[in-house]
Amino acid sequence: RKEVEQDPGPFNVPEGATVAFNCTYSNSASQSFFWYRQDCRKEPKLLMSVYSSGNEDGRFTAQLNRASQYISLLIRDSKLSDSATYLCVVPPLGNTPLVFGKGTRLSVIA
Amino acid sequence: DAGVTQSPTHLIKTRGQQVTLRCSPKSGHDTVSWYQQALGQGPQFIFQYYEEEERQRGNFPDRFSGHQFPNYSSELNVNALLLGDSALYLCASSRRAYEQYFGPGTRLTVT
Repeated sequence: RKEVEQDPGPFNVPEGATVAFNCTYSNSASQSFFWYRQDCRKEPKLLMSVYSSGNEDGRFTAQLNRASQYISLLIRDSKLSDSATYLCVVPPLGNTPLVFGKGTRLSVIA
Repeated sequence: DAGVTQSPTHLIKTRGQQVTLRCSPKSGHDTVSWYQQALGQGPQFIFQYYEEEERQRGNFPDRFSGHQFPNYSSELNVNALLLGDSALYLCASSRRAYEQYFGPGTRLTVT
């Protein structure tokens, strides 16, 4: 299994829809996880950090399943401005370099 | 509060040349990491600097080298450029934690 694998996408959803992305990781020792958002030709921006079972911030919910070694990102009531690539990030151990997934592209359509 | 800044924004070089990219970290951050992002891929870790030393390195050849200065700013140097080095080079800063904040990147084109 690759260190970090994400749903390939792209996801094309209508405004107002709920969409979920999954990300699997291989290192069971990983303790923290991140979702970054990257707009076209821009830098990744930190969206959410997950240190325990999950995290919620407005329309965004991240959940962690340690037994199955995956994290998910749920976006409720999708907006056009949510269109971007969402990158799953896992630091393998301690303060080690981040390992990025390839990203899942989301297009929210009016 | 200024975020992470990088220069230049864009750069065009020819094969065999050398390039230096620069990064200033976010205020209060002491760790700088460099990433290479090819089109359609996630960022790939190059190396990380803390206390002016290279602390960790990804799977990149010795043509890629770096430096961190006392003010925590950093440089990435690439020698003997190859066409395959064309990519977006991202600098990220942190305070010895996982939450890294990225600069806008330098887009390097090698012709």
